[in-house]
Amino acid sequence: QQQVKQSPQSLIVQKGGISIINCAYENTAFDYFPWYQQFPGKGPALLIAIRPDVSEKKEGRFTISFNKSAKQFSLHIMDSQPGDSATYFCAASMNYGGSQGNLIFGKGTKLSVKP
Amino acid sequence: NAGVTQTPKFRVLKTGQSMTLLCAQDMNHEYMYWYRQDPGMGLRLIHYSVGEGTTAKGEVPDGYNVSRLKKQNFLLGLESAAPSQTSVYFCASRFWKEDTQYFGPGTRLTVL
Repeated sequence: QQQVKQSPQSLIVQKGGISIINCAYENTAFDYFPWYQQFPGKGPALLIAIRPDVSEKKEGRFTISFNKSAKQFSLHIMDSQPGDSATYFCAASMNYGGSQGNLIFGKGTKLSVKP
Repeated sequence: NAGVTQTPKFRVLKTGQSMTLLCAQDMNHEYMYWYRQDPGMGLRLIHYSVGEGTTAKGEVPDGYNVSRLKKQNFLLGLESAAPSQTSVYFCASRFWKEDTQYFGPGTRLTVL
């Protein structure tokens, strides 16, 4: 119930295309769903996050779509650029029940954007 | 503001040796975390701390110990390193009122 399943493992997209990464969770107590971006040799950094009271959040070219009934959320990168090439992690957490807001991460998606 | 820093950046150990990884943050965050990252496994929580003097186990705590003697520092210890502990270790911190975790640059550890 604590797992967050992420797909695909890797993704190759042409410059200007749309990148879509999907995540699914089981625990309905999760109430915070962030996406982290990690470049090679660096630590992960928060990209965008959503709470289950909204179905979509957009920040620039990055959009999270959230489907509470299906227990799924996805990251859409519009007009993908070579500079977006990185590993993306979805995560989930809940802020009660003793978990202290600990993040459960998906296994990551390596995105390559070809020029 | 240096954010979250980790020392050392790289380390090679022999099986059975011990070492301590240091994490420091200058953001006055209450919460601090240690993760390990292995290929295809994402980030897994080792231990965490909700404040000075407190620590708790995460998902994969075996073989590790931690201490939080000062609010700004979180130490991760390996008493007797094993090859299975070869990994990249990340420290993170966050303000108790917010959700965002800020990660350090990582320590790449190899145990031979």
